[in-house]
Amino acid sequence: ETGVTQTPRHLVMGMTNKKSLKCEQHLGHNAMYWYKQSAKKPLELMFVYNFKEQTENNSVPSRFSPECPNSSHLFLHLHTLQPEDSALYLCASSQEPRSNTEAFFGQGTRLTVV
Amino acid sequence: TQLLEQSPQFLSIQEGENLTVYCNSSSVFSSLQWYRQEPGEGPVLLVTVVTGGEVKKLKRLTFQFGDARKDSSLHITAAQPGDTGLYLCAVFNAGGTSYGKLTFGQGTILTVHP
Repeated sequence: ETGVTQTPRHLVMGMTNKKSLKCEQHLGHNAMYWYKQSAKKPLELMFVYNFKEQTENNSVPSRFSPECPNSSHLFLHLHTLQPEDSALYLCASSQEPRSNTEAFFGQGTRLTVV
Repeated sequence: TQLLEQSPQFLSIQEGENLTVYCNSSSVFSSLQWYRQEPGEGPVLLVTVVTGGEVKKLKRLTFQFGDARKDSSLHITAAQPGDTGLYLCAVFNAGGTSYGKLTFGQGTILTVHP
């Protein structure tokens, strides 16, 4: 399997639920990212991991908790979300997090909070 | 205020027409990337431009980086229905403030009708 794979593709959760999004990359990249894509906003960077270390937390609420156990896997743990958190959550990876590096994206998880 | 302003936001044209979309900023960048995102998929890199005044061609797509490296344009010749999608410009390390921060414009949604 190649590329960046995200699971699940779709998720509906209640505001009191706890769920996790998973991202896996088989490209040998060192950097992984979580982005949020809402209907009327640009892609918003949430977190950046470089060699398993978090290098960016873009003022994301604590109800979103990332985990990067190794350079190939990235999780986003969700708890007590709000309806406005409904969006497409995209995972990406790159060789390293700096200019001119191509970011490879997964297909995303479409999250609906009810 | 967005770091990257894309225009137009929406573009609906007939097959065979030409079009140009723009990505503007007041900041100077060392490089700029263009991505295309199709429905149900993550963004895919089309091109990276790095030199002021640079022009790159990808089949019917022509990308230009402004002389001052503050703006870029994407021109499509003889558009086809397969060109339909969301076109995003993006820059890394915007403003030199963060390492590994890929920032996107809000995108141009292009629809090409047969």
